[in-house]
Amino acid sequence: ETGVTQSPTHLIKTRGQQVTLRCSSQSGHNTVSWYQQALGQGPQFIFQYYREEENGRGNFPPRFSGLQFPNYSSELNVNALELDDSALYLCASSLWGGDRIHEQYFGPGTRLTVT
Amino acid sequence: DAKTTQPPSMDCAEGRAANLPCNHSTISGNEYVYWYRQIHSQGPQYIIHGLKNNETNEMASLIITEDRKSSTLILPHATLRDTAVYYCIVRVRNNFNKFYFGSGTKLNVKP
Repeated sequence: ETGVTQSPTHLIKTRGQQVTLRCSSQSGHNTVSWYQQALGQGPQFIFQYYREEENGRGNFPPRFSGLQFPNYSSELNVNALELDDSALYLCASSLWGGDRIHEQYFGPGTRLTVT
Repeated sequence: DAKTTQPPSMDCAEGRAANLPCNHSTISGNEYVYWYRQIHSQGPQYIIHGLKNNETNEMASLIITEDRKSSTLILPHATLRDTAVYYCIVRVRNNFNKFYFGSGTKLNVKP
């Protein structure tokens, strides 16, 4: 059973640019969530995808968007980057409908720095 | 989702039990209590969850008060590798695993 993987590990972008972060869910999982974690704070829920559709969003503007693919991998896209977007971006996968629906498995994250 | 309150930091001696408290006074009847931890530079890791009964697994025990307004995570024999930020989260069971993290408790296990 493979774990959740994310790419790239680190990324530096300039204000105003666009970025795409990628996540590969744990094998067999059908739900993926994305979180933003600023330095010294807990993760903040961005949005969740279930069966390729957005299934809830936190308090983030529309320039944060995502995709989930048929193989349950996922992308997080951020347009018009701002300095405050600098953070660790975490992807988490889970199996909705299975016996272990309570557990969410996190990837190691992508560290995004906006200059 | 209900908010939780945790102390910002705690110390524990290696080999001793670590007891991490969490207040969730506005929890509703269909909300579960979850605990995750985050070791430096890693993604959060699931520890345990419960509704109203005490729970135990290979990692920890979860004690929920009878009125469900607070809970305690117990690491029975803390090791240096248990040094991490511990998050207490409450969530409605059918809310598709959308977790709202607070600031957590930084547990420092000392030799």
